[in-house]
Amino acid sequence: DTEVTQTPKHLVMGMTNKKSLKCEQHMGHRAMYWYKQKAKKPPELMFVYSYEKLSINESVPSRFSPECPNSSLLNLHLHALQPEDSALYLCASSQDSGAVAKNIQYFGAGTRLSVL
Amino acid sequence: AQKITQTQPGMFVQEKEAVTLDCTYDTSDPSYGLFWYKQPSSGEMIFLIYQGSYDQQNATEGRYSLNFQKARKSANLVISASQLGDSAMYFCAMREDYTSGTYKYIFGTGTRLKVLA
Repeated sequence: DTEVTQTPKHLVMGMTNKKSLKCEQHMGHRAMYWYKQKAKKPPELMFVYSYEKLSINESVPSRFSPECPNSSLLNLHLHALQPEDSALYLCASSQDSGAVAKNIQYFGAGTRLSVL
Repeated sequence: AQKITQTQPGMFVQEKEAVTLDCTYDTSDPSYGLFWYKQPSSGEMIFLIYQGSYDQQNATEGRYSLNFQKARKSANLVISASQLGDSAMYFCAMREDYTSGTYKYIFGTGTRLKVLA
């Protein structure tokens, strides 16, 4: 099973709203990722969690707040977003078990976010 | 810095024919991994195939094969017997060692493939 589950699939929010995106995997992967993808562009890395600790923050604005409650769950809390934050948000996970391992990154189906 | 280049923004192929999507990469790290993903219009990124830098043979997964030329730093994806369902965006990606135990994946700009009936 290589499934990464993201909820919700679609989200519309106002600029003053607070919402959360959720990601779950049960593959025993130790690394989890958030990406932002605009139309016709490659995914842009936002955050990486490794063993439930934040390893990488790609200078993401503080209106995006990640959280990793346990090794299977990853949340992205959204507050006071701007219309330009409208995008597809993808979650991914990988094993992170050594440099010579495949460490294949598996993705969820994404959340399409619209900020009005 | 590591870099992935996909020079074909769009490609057309006739159904049942083979097609090659180009990918070149640049890295000074002797240990790296190369990946191809398919992204249909639905948005999900689907893993297709993996090639490790130390793998002696080219990777194959069903109708997908990876033409790995290490000296030329290229990792082209070959899709045989194209199907209408292969129409999608295809991304080449490389795993980069960020720190010990943490990896980043960098993506090319993608190639949009359209399969014609």
